[in-house]
Amino acid sequence: EAQVTQNPRYLITVTGKKLTVTCSQNMNHEYMSWYRQDPGLGLRQIYYSMNVEVTDKGDVPEGYKVSRKEKRNFPLILESPSPNQTSLYFCASSLWGFMNTEAFFGQGTRLTVV
Amino acid sequence: QKEVEQNSGPLSVPEGAIASLNCTYSDRGSQSFFWYRQYSGKSPELIMSIYSNGDKEDGRFTAQLNKASQYVSLLIRDSQPSDSATYLCAVREGNNRLAFGKGNQVVVIP
Repeated sequence: EAQVTQNPRYLITVTGKKLTVTCSQNMNHEYMSWYRQDPGLGLRQIYYSMNVEVTDKGDVPEGYKVSRKEKRNFPLILESPSPNQTSLYFCASSLWGFMNTEAFFGQGTRLTVV
Repeated sequence: QKEVEQNSGPLSVPEGAIASLNCTYSDRGSQSFFWYRQYSGKSPELIMSIYSNGDKEDGRFTAQLNKASQYVSLLIRDSQPSDSATYLCAVREGNNRLAFGKGNQVVVIP
């Protein structure tokens, strides 16, 4: 089954404790992206990757890191989480950018930083 | 920063009626437009894509695109309770960004 898998689905952590949210896709998609979704603000892009070893900032990259060492994986790293990073996070992938192709989303990760 | 705007406020429609959603975008060079449906606490799922001016129909859904006026709309005919969700307008900007509107909540009243 074609899918984007995120883990964990729910996470409560404390300020400053490094964490990683994993994202994996099995569709051989070149493009992967991370979004955060907050009430009243909609979906905002954090980082994206056009291919292996190619990553770039989205609209709200501060406080986040990503890596793309393999085509299928695109982890989101919070080196020192803060309460303003409490949000619902989605990973998405598509065949190439979003050129007339569907973006597939993971199930989401609800992160709470206390 | 390029923007995608959806008119705010939940939309309540009786079952069987037509729900109409609108979206405007600022990037005149945008070529690809999408409507996603998102149930509460779930991930967005694509319901329509449209690339050319005019209408595109898929079952009970019709997307309409007017590039000159920079708007895209979604009509849901014969609305069902299962259509109750938030609908997100998305616009592809350049080759690497999918920008989303804040969404419109639709509530179908049985």
